[in-house]
Parts: sequence; C-alpha cells; structure tokens
Amino acid sequence: AQKVTQAQTEISVVEKEDVTLDCVYETRDTTYYLFWYKQPPSGELVFLIRRNSFDEQNEISGRYSWNFQKSTSSFNFTITASQVVDSAVYFCALRDYTGNQFYFGTGTSLTVIP
Amino acid sequence: DVKVTQSSRYLVKRTGEKVFLECVQDMDHENMFWYRQDPGLGLRLIYFSYDVKMKEKGDIPEGYSVSREKKERFSLILESASTNQTSMYLCASSSAGTSGNTIYFGEGSWLTVV
Repeated sequence: AQKVTQAQTEISVVEKEDVTLDCVYETRDTTYYLFWYKQPPSGELVFLIRRNSFDEQNEISGRYSWNFQKSTSSFNFTITASQVVDSAVYFCALRDYTGNQFYFGTGTSLTVIP
Repeated sequence: DVKVTQSSRYLVKRTGEKVFLECVQDMDHENMFWYRQDPGLGLRLIYFSYDVKMKEKGDIPEGYSVSREKKERFSLILESASTNQTSMYLCASSSAGTSGNTIYFGEGSWLTVV
C-alpha cells in the first residue's frame, strides 16, 4: 500500500533561518512520482516540484531545495533564509506509475516569524 | 492558464439541507477528485472519477455522493448535511496515464453546517 508520512505537524522559525520539512514514503512500486505542494492561507494548493523515482538528483530552485533519497524513502524539502511569505501548509504526495491516485501526507504547517 | 474552479467559496447551510458543490476544470483532464481537509487530518479523499459517469469511493465516502455528467464537471453532493461535515472541500483534476503529471486544485469551498 502507498503511504506518505510527514511527521512534523507544525514548525515555527524566525525569518532568515533555514528549515527542512521531512517526507517519508512507502510504496512497492519501482516507478513512482513524488510531489511537494504549498497551501497558503488562501486555500489553493500550489504545485512546487515533481520527481520521478529514477531521478535522485537533488534540485535547487532559488531558496528551495529538495533531497530525494531512495535508500531511506525520503523526499525532504529545505527552505533557505526563510521569509514570512513562506508561511503555509506544505504537503508531500506520491503518485504511483499505473494508478491515477495521489497519496498525500498530513501536511506540515510552517510559520515564519518576522 | 490552467484552472479548476469551485463554484462556491463560502457556504453556510442548515442541518438536513441538501448541498451541492460544483467543480469545473478547463484542462480536459480525465481524472477528477473531491477531498476534504480538516486540521490535523490532511487531505482525505471522498470520491474520484476516471471518466464521465464513472465514480469510485475514496477513503471517506459516507454521507456524500458525486455526479459526473460531463468531462469537465464534477459535483459533490451532501444528501442531508450534518454538522460533522463542516469542513473545507477541495476539488482537483489530473490527466490519466503513466506520465506522472501533477494534480491541480481549486481554491476550496468552506462549508459550515449549523
């Protein structure tokens, strides 16, 4: 069965600190896709990144970076020099290769304090 | 720009009322989803649909039904609203197949049942 775990329910950091959001997944598939989404207070989930299971290269996009490690079934998300606008709920998700469903973690609520 | 539109942003309904939440997507996606989001519980799948007139139960279908008469429209129906259905409801859509495309969300509908 597919499962995504985000153990951190809430995190608070002071502006300009770095913060890492953890995501651990379970799947028996060899091909799958992992995603991160941001949900600001307005409500709409916004797509941030997708990785497929064959691409373990870490990715950096501005202040955001992602660390994908198949050995530990983790897909962690780091925000460098956090800003107040980063305050949101962040969801990690998995989509298997043949199915059409998405499996979401329970989300991590990040608060960046000015 | 791709879009998932939910017809009502905020609703207040009385216990026992029949409630319709409408969702339209303009991306010609095969798959459409209804999720419910509650604090601490993340996103829980209510129903999803892979095709017109087709529906599958998700994790929490009790008390809900859906309708998909056209490819672009997916409606969530609360036959007899109850206070424990007070929540935020998110509609989403995605393409089918094995390419691992992302899922797109609407802005959410905040439903209060009094």
